[in-house]
Amino acid sequence: GENVEQHPSTLSVQEGDSAVIKCTYSDSASNYFPWYKQELGKGPQLIIDIRSNVGEKKDQRIAVTLNKTAKHFSLHITETQPEDSAVYFCAALMGRDNQGGKLIFGQGTELSVKP
Amino acid sequence: GAGVSQSPSNKVTEKGKDVELRCDPISGHTALYWYRQSLGQGLEFLIYFQGNSAPDKSGLPSDRFSAERTGGSVSTLTIQRTQQEDSAVYLCASSLVPSGLAGFKGDEQYFGPGTRLTVT
Repeated sequence: GENVEQHPSTLSVQEGDSAVIKCTYSDSASNYFPWYKQELGKGPQLIIDIRSNVGEKKDQRIAVTLNKTAKHFSLHITETQPEDSAVYFCAALMGRDNQGGKLIFGQGTELSVKP
Repeated sequence: GAGVSQSPSNKVTEKGKDVELRCDPISGHTALYWYRQSLGQGLEFLIYFQGNSAPDKSGLPSDRFSAERTGGSVSTLTIQRTQQEDSAVYLCASSLVPSGLAGFKGDEQYFGPGTRLTVT
């Protein structure tokens, strides 16, 4: 069935180091892959997304890569800061025939950046 | 501008009672989505609206759950005869156009703060 696997479930890094979170998806028709950051008690916030026609996208310290053949995508955060500490979710769009679709989410990665 | 808003922010109810959760999407957004997040879990899709119609209700867990959207704007999610396993954070999201329309920007989903439902 429709599935997104996310690893690791927890990640602890030192301030200034890089963090990488990886996801795999099952539906080869998926064409949109957003990443969300969720802080305690708040709703998920869209931080970056990638569509299936590109392999990489960057926005300042955040980058996302996509390998359609292998059906996996990754989030890279460089020069991490304590305020990057949060739970990060990957998602893949499941839909058919351009009718609009639902997002299937990974289980989340709790990132902790130690000062 | 204003983001997605949800009310109430917290709801405590007794098992067996009905509850209504409300979502106000971003003005002008045609698509609206409901998700559920159980403690420490990822988000689980419930239902999606395009305008007032619901092309995808596949995520509703039982017939106790229903949702409607009127006027192409506000949506309410109703849970009848609540059970303890319904306890979760219910999140609403909206997008300018339905997510996934080929090559179209504006289909990013923006989330509200959620309603925390506790069934005692």
